[in-house]
Amino acid sequence: TQLLEQSPQFLSIQEGENLTVYCNSSSVFSSLQWYRQEPGEGPVLLVTVVTGGEVKKLKRLTFQFGDARKDSSLHITAAQPGDTGLYLCAGASRYNFNKFYFGSGTKLNVKP
Amino acid sequence: EPEVTQTPSHQVTQMGQEVILRCVPISNHLYFYWYRQILGQKVEFLVSFYNNEISEKSEIFDDQFSVERPDGSNFTLKIRSTKLEDSAMYFCASSHGQGGEAFFGQGTRLTVV
Repeated sequence: TQLLEQSPQFLSIQEGENLTVYCNSSSVFSSLQWYRQEPGEGPVLLVTVVTGGEVKKLKRLTFQFGDARKDSSLHITAAQPGDTGLYLCAGASRYNFNKFYFGSGTKLNVKP
Repeated sequence: EPEVTQTPSHQVTQMGQEVILRCVPISNHLYFYWYRQILGQKVEFLVSFYNNEISEKSEIFDDQFSVERPDGSNFTLKIRSTKLEDSAMYFCASSHGQGGEAFFGQGTRLTVV
């Protein structure tokens, strides 16, 4: 089993603040995806990173894949209440590209 | 925008009954998955399916579970004899390529009573 640990588990910040969420593992992944999940709904894909050291930007969100492809971070600049939600990382198994391991998520609350 | 659709959105069943959860993956996708999420817990991989056969399954996916692609559009998960601990959200996902971006459906909430 390839475990993904996310930190922090919970984060409550004021609108306008910056934040970083981490996704760490001792295992190497062939790719890593970030999702956002609302209560009672399915995860919605935000981004996929594949190459070690890769950085992708999605408006105020910046995603980075670690050089060794074992970890990733999500940085949000100037958070807004609409960013509130559960952020999940999921890594594709190095040995079976069709098997994704999910982290337990970071629950973000952005207060107006 | 293409999306993965799942039916029903909610299913309540008695313990020991069979249930079939249905999914319509994105039309040009080749890889299909089922995941489940017990309330308050992680999303867990169940099975992946490609070229009309299972390519990988987890230890959760025992003999009580089966998957099928009965026609060109549907992808189903059958639980033969449901147990209380099968109560969870079940998510179907699909991707175009191996290890590619997986898109999830809205889920089916299964409650076994």
